[in-house]
Amino acid sequence: AQKVTQAQTEISVVEKEDVTLDCVYETRDTTYYLFWYKQPPSGELVFLIRRNSFDEQNEISGRYSWNFQKSTSSFNFTITASQVVDSAVYFCALSSGTYKYIFGTGTRLKVLA
Amino acid sequence: SQTIHQWPATLVQPVGSPLSLECTVEGTSNPNLYWYRQAAGRGLQLLFYSVGIGQISSEVPQNLSASRPQDRQFILSSKKLLLSDSGFYLCAWRPTGFLPGELFFGEGSRLTVL
Repeated sequence: AQKVTQAQTEISVVEKEDVTLDCVYETRDTTYYLFWYKQPPSGELVFLIRRNSFDEQNEISGRYSWNFQKSTSSFNFTITASQVVDSAVYFCALSSGTYKYIFGTGTRLKVLA
Repeated sequence: SQTIHQWPATLVQPVGSPLSLECTVEGTSNPNLYWYRQAAGRGLQLLFYSVGIGQISSEVPQNLSASRPQDRQFILSSKKLLLSDSGFYLCAWRPTGFLPGELFFGEGSRLTVL
């Protein structure tokens, strides 16, 4: 069975601190895709990144970076120099080429001014 | 460009009453459609998905049902709501195809059952 675990329920940081959100996944498939979404207080989910299982290169987009490690089945998300606008719930998700997308329980990030 | 809309945005219903949430996608054809529920502390739970008109796959046995009467319309229903049906319901779509691309989400519908 497929599973996504986000063990951090809530994280609070002070503005300008770096923060890493953890994501651990389980799947028996060799081809799969991993995603991160942001859910601001408005409620609508915003896509951040998609990664396939054959591409383990880390990715950086501005203050955001993602570390994909197949050896530990992890796909962690780091925000550098956090800002108040980063406050949101962040979801990690997994899909193995079927129609299903399995989401984790989310991590609520609070960035304090 | 493609857009997704769902309504109503907010709903307060008594226990035992019926439910109908509607989702419509514009600007694309034959999308894959999804209903998710977000309950407090439980993340996003996949309820139903559809790959075509009249084709519904149910993920969790529950008090809800889904229908797809038209290509870009996805409806979530219940004949009798339970307290446990309260939550934030999200409709999503993705282009048809094999590779799992980005899911595009609607604005959500917040349901409170009293």
